Amino acid sequence: EIVLTQSPGTLSLSPGERATLSCRASQSVSGSYLAWYQQKPGQAPRLLIYGASSRATGIPDRFSGSGSGTDFTLTISRLEPEDFAVYYCQQYGSSPPDTFGQGTKLEIK
Amino acid sequence: QVQLQESGPGLVKPWGPLSLTCAVSGDSISSNNWWSWVRQPPGKGLEWIGEISPRGSTNYNPSLKSRVTISVDKSKNQFSLKLSSVTAADTAVYYCARELWAEDGSSGYDSWGQGTLVTVSS
Repeated sequence: EIVLTQSPGTLSLSPGERATLSCRASQSVSGSYLAWYQQKPGQAPRLLIYGASSRATGIPDRFSGSGSGTDFTLTISRLEPEDFAVYYCQQYGSSPPDTFGQGTKLEIK
Repeated sequence: QVQLQESGPGLVKPWGPLSLTCAVSGDSISSNNWWSWVRQPPGKGLEWIGEISPRGSTNYNPSLKSRVTISVDKSKNQFSLKLSSVTAADTAVYYCARELWAEDGSSGYDSWGQGTLVTVSS
């Protein structure tokens, strides 16, 4: 089972700033099957990035993903007020069990 | 527009079974996609429970495998979760989700239900 470790646990930034979130896997993620989700209180998770770097349908281009192997990054280039939420990485696809990281809370500074 | 809708009891007694159903609209349960269950205890992170393929193959979280069954009802275009011998630790919001598969591979969990809170209590 692949364990995903996200850092930092909490990130405090201001609107307009750049956010960099990290996800490290305990072993190489097959096929770069690494996704990022955004979750707001009382809502289901929303897919942002799949395949480590592909934006899901309707996701603004200020969201970008990068990385391969065991190290992955989600970058939000200029934070909008609606971007403050909890973000989860997930490895999925051909190597079950699919697993989630513990989450990074992005809060307003 | 794909829509998923969870349904089932919101309160389950300890050591009893938990049963939930996810109704799918806008996609066929027999398509190339996989269908999954994810849960989230109050105030905590996401936990993957398991998945089922179009052909009925299943994968489960090893920590829950002995208690979990996921099945499909093609006639109703829905899939189900059964979790046996529940305890308070199984109290969570339960989500169903679609894992979108194409010829070039998976595109992640692109559609989710709104979630249903299941509380385990006597």
